[in-house]
Parts: sequence; structure tokens; C-alpha cells
Amino acid sequence: QKEVEQDPGPLSVPEGAIVSLNCTYSNSAFQYFMWYRQYSRKGPELLMYTYSSGNKEDGRFTAQVDKSSKYISLFIRDSQPSDSATYLCAMRDSGGSNYKLTFGKGTLLTVNP
Amino acid sequence: DSGVTQTPKHLITATGQRVTLRCSPRSGDLSVYWYQQSLDQGLQFLIQYYNGEERAKGNILERFSAQQFPDLHSELNLSSLELGDSALYFCASSVSGTSGIEQYFGPGTRLTVT
Repeated sequence: QKEVEQDPGPLSVPEGAIVSLNCTYSNSAFQYFMWYRQYSRKGPELLMYTYSSGNKEDGRFTAQVDKSSKYISLFIRDSQPSDSATYLCAMRDSGGSNYKLTFGKGTLLTVNP
Repeated sequence: DSGVTQTPKHLITATGQRVTLRCSPRSGDLSVYWYQQSLDQGLQFLIQYYNGEERAKGNILERFSAQQFPDLHSELNLSSLELGDSALYFCASSVSGTSGIEQYFGPGTRLTVT
């Protein structure tokens, strides 16, 4: 079983839709949960992160973490064509100075105008 | 633009050869990370350096090595290349004091081994 599982999609939605992206994980030591966005032929860029369980909102984006279920989600409201990209979840534990991130394989999202 | 630079953008080489990928972190960032991205494996952490010292190792093959220099730029050396090493190689850097959460990725080097 991989440490982080993410449905690769592809996911295609109309403009204005609410998008839900999800990851599950198996390592209970993970404490930091991140979402990165990667446009085609570019490096990933950090969208937002949460520590431990709970919700975090940033504009049209909301990240949720449910540690009891080992499940994290990213919601995009009022999706725009510019949101079309691959979304990668990433996680790390809280230990020391080892900053290793474990990534999901990414979900390819297309928002159609 | 993340502020992280990588050279070269593209590299085509033959099996058995050796290549060096170069990365310059954002100004002031002490940590550098290397990742490999392929279609089947996704984005895989290879190695982390902090201020010249190795801090963490991931799924890095013995044929691969890296170092970080006093001016903080880093190089990833790949030797005895195999077809399966064809991938995108990303370098990232992070701000000190952020526990490596906010990593800024470069544009990547696309390596093709023929």
C-alpha cells in the first residue's frame, strides 16, 4: 500500500462548479498536509497547507483534514478555467529537521468555459 | 516565477552516460531539495541539503549523488544512466524556519535517456 493515494482523474467540470479533490494516506505520523498546483510544463506551487486536523480557507479554496479517517480534501468553489492544472497533495511528519515530503500522484483537473 | 533556477531545461543523453543538473535556490533559502517526477511514480523525494549538509534521503539510487556548495547552489549527478531514469527532475528550496512546508520549485530539467 502506498503511503499516499490520490485518484489521478482526469476530472473535467464546467466553469463555476465546485470541485472536490481528495487523498488518503496510511502513515499516522503525518502532521502537515499540503496542496500543490502544477500547471503543464511548470514546477509545483504551494496552494495551502494545514497542520493536524481541521479546515483552512483561502479565497475560493478550502482544505480539510480528517486524521481519524486519514483523509484530506481540497475544495475549489466557483472554479475557473485558470484552475485547470494537476493538483498534488503532499504530507510530512513533524519530526526534527527531516523535511521530506511525500506526494500523491496528482489529479488532473480541467475546467471548461 | 518561484525564484529557483535550474539548468539545463532539457537534456538528451545515451544510456551509460553521466549528467549533472544544476540548481540555484531562492536568495536566502538554505534548504535545497531534489525530486524526480515520472508518469508512473509521480513526484518522488530524492534528497535534501541544508546549508551544505545532507539532511534527508529518500528514494535516491546509488548511481545518483548530490551536493550543496558554499554559495548554496546544488548539483545532482546522475551516472550510468538507464532508460528508466528519463523523467523531470525538480529542485526546490525553502525558507528557514518554516519546517520545509513552503517549498518553492524550479521549472525542472527534463532528462531523456535514449
